[in-house]
Amino acid sequence: GAVVSQHPSRVICKSGTSVKIECRSLDFQATTMFWYRQFPKQSLMLMATSNEGSKATYEQGVEKDKFLINHASLTLSTLTVTSAHPEDSSFYICSAQGPGLQYFGPGTRLTVT
Amino acid sequence: GENVEQHPSTLSVQEGDSAVIKCTYSDSASNYFPWYKQELGKGPQLIIDIRSNVGEKKDQRIAVTLNKTAKHFSLHITETQPEDSAVYFCAASKRNTGNQFYFGTGTSLTVIP
Repeated sequence: GAVVSQHPSRVICKSGTSVKIECRSLDFQATTMFWYRQFPKQSLMLMATSNEGSKATYEQGVEKDKFLINHASLTLSTLTVTSAHPEDSSFYICSAQGPGLQYFGPGTRLTVT
Repeated sequence: GENVEQHPSTLSVQEGDSAVIKCTYSDSASNYFPWYKQELGKGPQLIIDIRSNVGEKKDQRIAVTLNKTAKHFSLHITETQPEDSAVYFCAASKRNTGNQFYFGTGTSLTVIP
């Protein structure tokens, strides 16, 4: 089946720094990728929809200047959390629109100290 | 927009018993309903899905039913096993319209050996 990878799986960063998370579709091309955020014991909340070659569409309440999304190729989308704060600590999950289905990555645990 | 509700939030069953999780949705235009299983610290894994032109779908011990009129769908797991313990999420989307998923709040299933 289609595979989506995320890197890194875990990252710890200091408050005020920026961190980049990569999402790759390994065996298919994805014109659309999605970024979700999940707090402990809560559901997945869509942050933004990333389309290859165009600007991402952000959900209401998500700061686009804080969560920078780049979808530079059909197999790679990146999420950069800028000037991270402890409240940005969360589990970030991407998904990629593949052949007929949406495939999820394994997630990235971000901890901001 | 779409609103997906999921019940129960927690469910404990004895090994071998059945488990049922129910979801309702609000947007009658939604036509694709996947179910995901998420283990601790991992991304969601698709376990079964159903399209709006079908009332029921079964895959070994797992089945999903859909009532379009009432706008609800359910996941049924029979002969539960300890490895079925996880968090289960339902979702609704409109295929061919961006495929944005709206997730339920999740059900934490515990199968007691």
